[in-house]
Amino acid sequence: GEDVEQSLFLSVREGDSSVINCTYTDSSSTYLYWYKQEPGAGLQLLTYIFSNMDMKQDQRLTVLLNKKDKHLSLRIADTQTGDSAIYFCAESSRSNTGKLIFGQGTTLQVKP
Amino acid sequence: DAEITQSPRHKITETGRQVTLACHQTWNHNNMFWYRQDLGHGLRLIHYSYGVQDTNKGEVSDGYSVSRSNTEDLPLTLESAASSQTSVYFCASSTGQLPYNEQFFGPGTRLTVL
Repeated sequence: GEDVEQSLFLSVREGDSSVINCTYTDSSSTYLYWYKQEPGAGLQLLTYIFSNMDMKQDQRLTVLLNKKDKHLSLRIADTQTGDSAIYFCAESSRSNTGKLIFGQGTTLQVKP
Repeated sequence: DAEITQSPRHKITETGRQVTLACHQTWNHNNMFWYRQDLGHGLRLIHYSYGVQDTNKGEVSDGYSVSRSNTEDLPLTLESAASSQTSVYFCASSTGQLPYNEQFFGPGTRLTVL
């Protein structure tokens, strides 16, 4: 069935780059998403990539998509303490019904 | 500005009681979703709706029900609360325009069942 996997925790120093990885199973996914959840809040869309793209850059964020390996990554350049949050990878469901399949979330800890 | 709200933000209840969590969106979105968030499990889908009078079960629907009588609201009811239902609950909505499926999330309700 459809599944999205992420590592649970990542710790980096302020100013370093962070790379959060995600693997998914549905090769027919049309969009893949990265959501950010700050403490005590709901999820907010951070960025997304259409499945016919390999890379998308948006300021400090770079999304890489390897469709062959079904691997998605989010790189945050010059990580700041304000980037500390939980990051969720999500894919559109196989039947494209409007449902999203979320990973478990990666907690990013940024140390000063 | 359009928004999605949840109430209450925090709730403590006892085992066996019926509890209803409210979700209200002013985006005029067709799709609405309820998730629960638990450590190590990420977000799990409880129920969802594609429009008025439409409801569907998600992966963890046992013990929960929803109803959709208008576009704006999708209340989630726990028929007889159990300690295993202690969790943080999130409501979300989306336009329903495929294939782009961005979901907009509410702030969450933290439910404790004693």
